Amino acid sequence: SYQLSQPPSVSVSPGQTATITCSGDELPNQYVHWCRQRPGQPPVLILYKDNKRPSGIPERFSGAIAGTTGTLTISGVQAEDEADYYCLSADRTSTWAFGGGTKLTVL
Amino acid sequence: EVQVVESGGGLVQPGGSLRLSCLISGKKFNNYWMTWVRQAPGKGLEWVANIKEDGSDKYYVDSVKGRFVISRDNAKNAVYLQMNSLRAEDTAVYYCTREFFNWGQGTLVVVSS
Repeated sequence: SYQLSQPPSVSVSPGQTATITCSGDELPNQYVHWCRQRPGQPPVLILYKDNKRPSGIPERFSGAIAGTTGTLTISGVQAEDEADYYCLSADRTSTWAFGGGTKLTVL
Repeated sequence: EVQVVESGGGLVQPGGSLRLSCLISGKKFNNYWMTWVRQAPGKGLEWVANIKEDGSDKYYVDSVKGRFVISRDNAKNAVYLQMNSLRAEDTAVYYCTREFFNWGQGTLVVVSS
């Protein structure tokens, strides 16, 4: 089955920039999407098709893709951004996979 | 506003079956792929299965192939997940999502004797 790799944890101080990566062999050919999940809550889509924001998601959330690596960037991190972040993408057989998740800690 | 509501979870013995349901309102249901995602206790998200707008295509994660069946009834704005031959490792909160834009609160499935 398709595998996406993320760092288990990222820590950043308030106001700084957090960067979370997602690596997958199919990313040059498939979109990457990003979800945020706070404890006890369902996931929320924060970026789709590499870098598009659903309505209601602040501009400080941005995305990029370069080769086999997708990147979620959170500028001006706030305490409320502390959560688990998951990348998501499909492979060429139309099955999907989530990355293992990255726990963002705001120091 | 789009609402997604899952139901049907519960406690089931290993080898047993369970059928999850998901109702969606506020969107034209038959325009969208629908997906089931699960999350084992303390673990990450796992994509389980999805189904095309008209039900003609279905895809599954390897670990559930041959045991789970996804289906939909567009007249009822509903998607289902029939889970057979359940195992302890299927224990999880199961989420239904409309193309990952809208999610339900999830329904808990516990497989235990």
